[in-house]
Amino acid sequence: AQTVTQSQPEMSVQEAETVTLSCTYDTSENNYYLFWYKQPPSRQMILVIRQEAYKQQNATENRFSVNFQKAAKSFSLKISDSQLGDTAMYFCAFMSGGSNYKLTFGKGTLLTVNP
Amino acid sequence: DTGVSQNPRHKITKRGQNVTFRCDPISEHNRLYWYRQTLGQGPEFLTYFQNEAQLEKSRLLSDRFSAERPKGSFSTLEIQRTEQGDSAMYLCASSLGGGAGNTIYFGEGSWLTVV
Repeated sequence: AQTVTQSQPEMSVQEAETVTLSCTYDTSENNYYLFWYKQPPSRQMILVIRQEAYKQQNATENRFSVNFQKAAKSFSLKISDSQLGDTAMYFCAFMSGGSNYKLTFGKGTLLTVNP
Repeated sequence: DTGVSQNPRHKITKRGQNVTFRCDPISEHNRLYWYRQTLGQGPEFLTYFQNEAQLEKSRLLSDRFSAERPKGSFSTLEIQRTEQGDSAMYLCASSLGGGAGNTIYFGEGSWLTVV
């Protein structure tokens, strides 16, 4: 079974600065997908960024980028120019390429952006 | 696109009572998922439907839990003889077709408190 580990329960950053959230995972598969989801307080979870394991290039979405290290099974999220609206729980998630419906989530990291 | 809608948003029930949650997915999304999230944890997969067929159930889904999607549109999740351990947020999500290339959209969740 796959596992996803987020070792930072809480983090904080000053507005406009950069922060990196860590995620490691364990799998024996070669084909899979990785995701970062954002869950603001009392609001729905939304997809921030996704990475296909077969792609070597790191995914980027505006201020959000990932550092995908396949051999190390590491998938960190970098948020640049942090904004107050980035305050949320961030979940790292894994999806097997062979069963493309089930997300396995980490426990999450609570990110607080301070003014 | 009105998003994934869940009702009720909050439910307080006495132990032993039955509760039912409803999920309306995004229109035309043929895949529908249920997850459970407890405080301090990431969401855990419960079950998913492709159209009206329930294709997988997690072992977390005990016999007291039943989910249906009768016409391949909305879904219900019923919990019979509720226990305090059932207290959690129940998340519904939907996606168009399979494959990680299709984003999974989450609803805001239904909070259940069993007293």
